[in-house]
Amino acid sequence: GQQLNQSPQSMFIQEGEDVSMNCTSSSIFNTWLWYKQDPGEGPVLLIALYKAGELTSNGRLTAQFGITRKDSFLNISASIPSDVGIYFCAGHSPNAGNNRKLIWGLGTSLAVNP
Amino acid sequence: KAGVTQTPRYLIKTRGQQVTLSCSPISGHRSVSWYQQTPGQGLQFLFEYFSETQRNKGNFPGRFSGRQFSNSRSEMNVSTLELGDSALYLCASSPGQPNEKLFFGSGTQLSVL
Repeated sequence: GQQLNQSPQSMFIQEGEDVSMNCTSSSIFNTWLWYKQDPGEGPVLLIALYKAGELTSNGRLTAQFGITRKDSFLNISASIPSDVGIYFCAGHSPNAGNNRKLIWGLGTSLAVNP
Repeated sequence: KAGVTQTPRYLIKTRGQQVTLSCSPISGHRSVSWYQQTPGQGLQFLFEYFSETQRNKGNFPGRFSGRQFSNSRSEMNVSTLELGDSALYLCASSPGQPNEKLFFGSGTQLSVL
């Protein structure tokens, strides 16, 4: 099925560094959602974006809905060890039919060295 | 509000057996979606139920089935288990409108031996 292109696939950074990851699609999206998943747990919603150009923050996290509606990025500032996990992007595409089925990226695995 | 509850948390089965997983959505949510997650494969959509009807379906074989009850609780069943069915099965709920965010449970980790 349709999938989002999420990059990078994995990152290994030092505590205190900033992190940037992104998600792209060949078609437009109506929403972009960013989730974080800890090992053995379900994904937890971090940020939801509903409008092209929208920039939203949640603590040290900032995400933007791309102007073209075909991409989104997530930034984490001043990373800490508990930021470790897998970050997924997901979105609703009008091309997917009824705007109720989420399209997912394969995730960015983040490791933080204390 | 209580979150999405999935039971059991862990399951070990052998090939050929069948298994039933349960999901209780957030109170007031009428849509329940099921996903299969294996390492490196991301989240693979199984199906979505809304008001006791299957509304969306992914590309899984007929061995995977589900249902939803009038209180919005949902179950999924996998028959004739195969080794490749070992995965984390995630349930997510939402009110059921377009362009919504999903809220996930902690998942059921199924191991097939």
